Amino acid sequence: NAGVTQTPKFRVLKTGQSMTLLCAQDMNHEYMYWYRQDPGMGLRLIHYSVGEGTTAKGEVPDGYNVSRLKKQNFLLGLESAAPSQTSVYFCASSWRNNEQFFGPGTRLTVL
Amino acid sequence: DAKTTQPTSMDCAEGRAANLPCNHSTISGNEYVYWYRQIHSQGPQYIIHGLKNNETNEMASLIITEDRKSSTLILPHATLRDTAVYYCIVTLYSGAGSYQLTFGKGTKLSVIP
Repeated sequence: NAGVTQTPKFRVLKTGQSMTLLCAQDMNHEYMYWYRQDPGMGLRLIHYSVGEGTTAKGEVPDGYNVSRLKKQNFLLGLESAAPSQTSVYFCASSWRNNEQFFGPGTRLTVL
Repeated sequence: DAKTTQPTSMDCAEGRAANLPCNHSTISGNEYVYWYRQIHSQGPQYIIHGLKNNETNEMASLIITEDRKSSTLILPHATLRDTAVYYCIVTLYSGAGSYQLTFGKGTKLSVIP
């Protein structure tokens, strides 16, 4: 099993550009999450999903959109990137409310 | 969710037990204590969780005080690979969408050779 994978691993954007981060899990988990981590800080929840076709806002949802069209995938979109969105993005999944399994992260720089 | 307080950093000699404290004085009766760690810049890794009883697994032991206002994560024989940031998280464990991890700054554990 690959566990949780994230694509891409690194990305540099210019202000105003858009992009989509892909998270995939092969553990048949119901729940999926997107977090961001800024330097020297803990992770903050952006959006999460409790099942296919459902999404909900977390602590810091502004500037991001998500979609969960397939159970195994959770997409995070930035419609108009801003320098404040420079961060490391982590995806996670879990079986209902059990422990969360995290991906390796995506390092995003917005110039 | 209840707020947690952890020391910013700790050192531990290799091979010795590492005891990481966490205060959560406002914890409510149905909130669990979770521990995760983050090695370098990798994704966080689940370690252990508990409600009121002490818990042990292959990675660590979790000791929760009787009043549940504090807990200690114990790594019995720390190795250099245990150098990481350790997060103590208190969260509800029920209902769709209510399991949300709130990460603080954690404790930076350095295992010294």
